[in-house]
Amino acid sequence: AQSVAQPEDQVNVAEGNPLTVKCTYSVSGNPYLFWYVQYPNRGLQFLLKYITGDNLVKGSYGFEAEFNKSQTSFHLKKPSALVSDSALYFCAVESRDAGNMLTFGGGTRLMVKP
Amino acid sequence: EPEVTQTPSHQVTQMGQEVILRCVPISNHLYFYWYRQILGQKVEFLVSFYNNEISEKSEIFDDQFSVERPDGSNFTLKIRSTKLEDSAMYFCASREQGGNGYTFGSGTRLTVV
Repeated sequence: AQSVAQPEDQVNVAEGNPLTVKCTYSVSGNPYLFWYVQYPNRGLQFLLKYITGDNLVKGSYGFEAEFNKSQTSFHLKKPSALVSDSALYFCAVESRDAGNMLTFGGGTRLMVKP
Repeated sequence: EPEVTQTPSHQVTQMGQEVILRCVPISNHLYFYWYRQILGQKVEFLVSFYNNEISEKSEIFDDQFSVERPDGSNFTLKIRSTKLEDSAMYFCASREQGGNGYTFGSGTRLTVV
């Protein structure tokens, strides 16, 4: 079975400060890791993914994430937060060994204050 | 950029009624999915569909649920007899053969009253 944990229900950060949204995962086999963002009453928008290769992945809107195999983590980061980054962020994992589907974490609400 | 299209965006139905949620996946994608998000909760996998048959399904996807790709374009989720607890946002997603990314639709908000 595959699972994802997002330990923080909410992250608060001041505009201009760096942000980190944490994610850890558990899979058998090689993980494919994803971050999605959801704005109010909207669908899931793809931010970035790790499949293989460089552990630091760069994605949309200035976000990046670092794959750490030893810590089974895939934290989402951004050097300088914007108020418009405020949204719900979901980490997801897929292991092709466990079937072709994404398993999502519980989500972390990011609040960026001016 | 290609999109996954879902209709309707919002549907209200009475308990016990049948509903059909519609999705048009990206045209060259071969894997199709339905996910559900109860308000304020995590996104949960329901079912995956490949080569005109279900490839995986979760415990949520019981006998009241069914999926179909009736015309090679649409991908539908049918809930036979809706319950109050079926109220949720339902997301369709698709993925191409060998692809490493899922494209999600904007969702259908189902409200069962």
